Amino acid sequence: DAGVIQSPRHEVTEMGQEVTLRCKPISGHNSLFWYRQTMMRGLELLIYFNNNVPIDDSGMPEDRFSAKMPNASFSTLKIQPSEPRDSAVYFCASSLYGLNTEAFFGQGTRLTVV
Amino acid sequence: AQTVTQSQPEMSVQEAETVTLSCTYDTSESDYYLFWYKQPPSRQMILVIRQEAYKQQNATENRFSVNFQKAAKSFSLKISDSQLGDAAMYFCAAHDNTDKLIFGTGTRLQVFP
Repeated sequence: DAGVIQSPRHEVTEMGQEVTLRCKPISGHNSLFWYRQTMMRGLELLIYFNNNVPIDDSGMPEDRFSAKMPNASFSTLKIQPSEPRDSAVYFCASSLYGLNTEAFFGQGTRLTVV
Repeated sequence: AQTVTQSQPEMSVQEAETVTLSCTYDTSESDYYLFWYKQPPSRQMILVIRQEAYKQQNATENRFSVNFQKAAKSFSLKISDSQLGDAAMYFCAAHDNTDKLIFGTGTRLQVFP
């Protein structure tokens, strides 16, 4: 398996624009997580899905953020409208079942909002 | 609320020497899991080692081992025979039954030849 695949690797966008980050988890994994990494706040869990169902989205910073998982092999994190303070590295991770099993991370998407 | 604290923003070690990275955590749960992740410049997050709180024996993975002190809520990572490829950010993380993996702020490890 190729591991968790995220796209794009880098995204530069203007303030106010919509941004969509994509993630393909490892086949067979039941849980998917979206994290945000900044220098100030470190790694923060934004939302996680279990069997395609959002379980906890309390980490989503604002209504401008939304995440979907339409099927077991694909998830998106959308920011609309984007703001400069959203600039960060966004990681997607998947695990076989929750976090008692190893979480495998994608390489992240570096988002810059100018 | 569950918290994870890494008090060493940066550490350095000479090749072939041993280094210990510190981590403390706070949780009210009795059953939880602790992890150390490595993030090299490629940004990939790689699991280094995992410890289940109910196990008293310290986890070991080749040159990596932990010192798990449950009463003190301490979970340090020891890297023996350090190699240049060990240079990275190291994140301590804790997970309890709420299914949230909470990370510390990370320790940047430099390895000198």
